[in-house]
Amino acid sequence: EAEVAQSPRYKITEKSQAVAFWCDPISGHATLYWYRQILGQGPELLVQFQDESVVDDSQLPKDRFSAERLKGVDSTLKIQPAELGDSAMYLCASSFKGSIYEQYFGPGTRLTVT
Amino acid sequence: GDSVTQMEGPVTLSEEAFLTINCTYTATGYPSLFWYVQYPGEGLQLLLKATKADDKGSNKGFEATYRKETTSFHLEKGSVQVSDSAVYFCALKNRDDKIIFGKGTRLHILP
Repeated sequence: EAEVAQSPRYKITEKSQAVAFWCDPISGHATLYWYRQILGQGPELLVQFQDESVVDDSQLPKDRFSAERLKGVDSTLKIQPAELGDSAMYLCASSFKGSIYEQYFGPGTRLTVT
Repeated sequence: GDSVTQMEGPVTLSEEAFLTINCTYTATGYPSLFWYVQYPGEGLQLLLKATKADDKGSNKGFEATYRKETTSFHLEKGSVQVSDSAVYFCALKNRDDKIIFGKGTRLHILP
């Protein structure tokens, strides 16, 4: 069964350092999402791509976060510089285009900023 | 804006008890509705979905019916097991392909 791949699974970094996460969606899924899930809360959308274009990044802290999906397939989320409050689970999801299709989630990257 | 409201947890039940987790939504148009489950230490998994009014989604003994008149999508299971202990998220996907999650309900099942 096809899955969304994410790496790394765990990342520990010091504050002020740069960190990057990678996501490979299910083949054929045009829509890709990055979420942040703080412990004990639901996922919050950071950025949504349709193919290689950003369609929603209204909740992305653009002073330190950036995301790209250059060829419309895999994607990278970067934080520079990392802050203590960035410690969270970063989830990637993908879906076919259209509201009736569910999102499939990857296993996530657990980020700890020290 | 579009939103999802689900009952706060934690919910603690004994094994074989009946489960209901309430979920209501606010959205423009006709969203698709989902329940996701997150087991300890794992990512989110789709549990069930419904894409139009009166649809019933079901999986692993869980059911939820899309009720347009009450804007609800309550999750039910007739007899829970210890292995059902997890966090359950109700969610909708709106016409902008944006998914909105509820805050999650933690479920504890006691043997």
